[in-house]
Amino acid sequence: GNSVTQMEGPVTLSEEAFLTINCTYTATGYPSLFWYVQYPGEGLQLLLKATKADDKGSNKGFEATYRKETTSFHLEKGSVQVSDSAVYFCALSAGSGTYKYIFGTGTRLKVLA
Amino acid sequence: SAVISQKPSRDICQRGTSLTIQCQVDSQVTMMFWYRQQPGQSLTLIATANQGSEATYESGFVIDKFPISRPNLTFSTLTVSNMSPEDSSIYLCSVRDRGSEKLFFGSGTQLSVL
Repeated sequence: GNSVTQMEGPVTLSEEAFLTINCTYTATGYPSLFWYVQYPGEGLQLLLKATKADDKGSNKGFEATYRKETTSFHLEKGSVQVSDSAVYFCALSAGSGTYKYIFGTGTRLKVLA
Repeated sequence: SAVISQKPSRDICQRGTSLTIQCQVDSQVTMMFWYRQQPGQSLTLIATANQGSEATYESGFVIDKFPISRPNLTFSTLTVSNMSPEDSSIYLCSVRDRGSEKLFFGSGTQLSVL
């Protein structure tokens, strides 16, 4: 079946540090891949997405590349800010016409000033 | 985009009681989704609520325990019935943007059962 595995947190970084949150997946077919973010006290919101192999999603300085050969979709940011402190969820949608999403367990990021 | 209002935001309940969670969307949507987020675990889909028909439940979830209403295209409720401490979790309402596969979420209901 389909599944998403992401690195456990919490991740604690100093401001301006480089961030990587690992995400790997298993899926049949050609899933779309997503990163969602949940800021304190708010609902999950889409951060970025990629719909096919080698696509790069980007938003707010975050990037992730859809790597079919390694079944990965790692989230990166070159210089984190305190305001990036949140919980990050990797997710997949298993192909067109389906509404079912599979989420990872979430990774809590804390950025210290 | 869609703005989702979910309430209550949190509640503490006694074992054996029931809680109804409300979800209001600012636009008409065909499908609304209810998720559960248990501590340290991923979001798990409970059911899909379609207007005018019975909700579709995922494996491990049943209507008697989680009855859902969907009276119109902007509103849904999820009831957690006969609660036990194992039901302590965050419950999330979500809708899907049909054109982009994007999901929009309410801010969640944090439920604690004593």
